[in-house]
Amino acid sequence: DAGITQSPRHKVTETGTPVTLRCHQTENHRYMYWYRQDPGHGLRLIHYSYGVKDTDKGEVSDGYSVSRSKTEDFLLTLESATSSQTSVYFCAISESGVSGASMNTEAFFGQGTRLTVV
Amino acid sequence: LAKTTQPISMDSYEGQEVNITCSHNNIATNDYITWYQQFPSQGPRFIIQGYKTKVTNEVASLFIPADRKSSTLSLPRVSLSDTAVYYCLVGGFKAAGNKLTFGGGTRVLVKP
Repeated sequence: DAGITQSPRHKVTETGTPVTLRCHQTENHRYMYWYRQDPGHGLRLIHYSYGVKDTDKGEVSDGYSVSRSKTEDFLLTLESATSSQTSVYFCAISESGVSGASMNTEAFFGQGTRLTVV
Repeated sequence: LAKTTQPISMDSYEGQEVNITCSHNNIATNDYITWYQQFPSQGPRFIIQGYKTKVTNEVASLFIPADRKSSTLSLPRVSLSDTAVYYCLVGGFKAAGNKLTFGGGTRVLVKP
């Protein structure tokens, strides 16, 4: 399995408090992603990074910020958590490039963080 | 980004072949088609990727017609453990980033 670790794995927090989730990789992959998954929904992209200090918004970025100060860590911050941010959060990594006639966009996912905002 | 459309759910029985078709009418020239599998309480896992024609690995086959506006994931002789959600993604490498965007997925239930 790819070396990707999410922490914490579970967290319960109160509305209005800041929360930071960490994604750590040991694969030296260039791209890192944060997704959320809610019951009845697929994965929705929050933010992603294509290099150190290079990040961009996904489809559901409101209320979230990210930082990537080094290759191995990608942090997701909820500045002021709301109940609507109760979800399972997945981090993913990938190293895209062209290799001969094929392109590797395989992404490896972490085990997820279950966040409950009460 | 090319939008994908897949059936919401499919039922099958052990030993049968399961075929899931994904529509991606506005696929770009440099886009690849990738399928992921997700079990409950786990992150998605890569299954297969292709650009055109047919790709086969130890898990599945991927059929892509010449116009590339759709693709079909084929799971041969499924077992109960193949019960999962399957996602079709379309995208390609871009200098500014590789935005992996998932659609709703297809929930496959394999019955005994």
